[in-house]
Amino acid sequence: GAGVSQSPSNKVTEKGKDVELRCDPISGHTALYWYRQSLGQGLEFLIYFQGNSAPDKSGLPSDRFSAERTGGSVSTLTIQRTQQEDSAVYLCASSAPTGRVSYEQYFGPGTRLTVT
Amino acid sequence: QKEVEQNSGPLSVPEGAIASLNCTYSDRGSQSFFWYRQYSGKSPELIMSIYSNGDKEDGRFTAQLNKASQYVSLLIRDSQPSDSATYLCAVNPGGYQKVTFGIGTKLQVIP
Repeated sequence: GAGVSQSPSNKVTEKGKDVELRCDPISGHTALYWYRQSLGQGLEFLIYFQGNSAPDKSGLPSDRFSAERTGGSVSTLTIQRTQQEDSAVYLCASSAPTGRVSYEQYFGPGTRLTVT
Repeated sequence: QKEVEQNSGPLSVPEGAIASLNCTYSDRGSQSFFWYRQYSGKSPELIMSIYSNGDKEDGRFTAQLNKASQYVSLLIRDSQPSDSATYLCAVNPGGYQKVTFGIGTKLQVIP
């Protein structure tokens, strides 16, 4: 079946502009994650949606970052007033609990954001 | 103390050798453990999951879990240059808590 898709694949924006990044998870997956990965660095957790529960926003670096997940499916990550340090690859992953202790994540191809 | 710790490497092994990648975690109640492979410029790809103490084998890959020592490892037998990548360890504490990733170990397999 179809995997996780993200759009756009690349985004170049000017400092101070707002950007929206989209993630389409695997159909039926109840959990959705956003991560950020700067060049040569590890995965930085941003936000986690699980079903209808309140999202875990503990990784959002500032109030310029926000995310929503509509209808338990598609998610949008919004960055307002972008800064050069926001330049990174933004990765989305989805997972579905196949058992009590299974949270295998499947990643999308990422959106490479460049702030000039 | 980081929740999931890995040596960032690089770990260099000759072609055909066994590569051993290690990971420790801090939450003793953790229940699910994963290994992901990430090639340069690509997104992470799940290669192994393990939930019970002991070994789990899949082809050239063996995941080992020791909950008492809070330690999980990945062995790659007959390492190939195509195995050169960054290997990420991930741990789920259980319930609906988020998965936490280690920084990843960069593996270089030398022909």
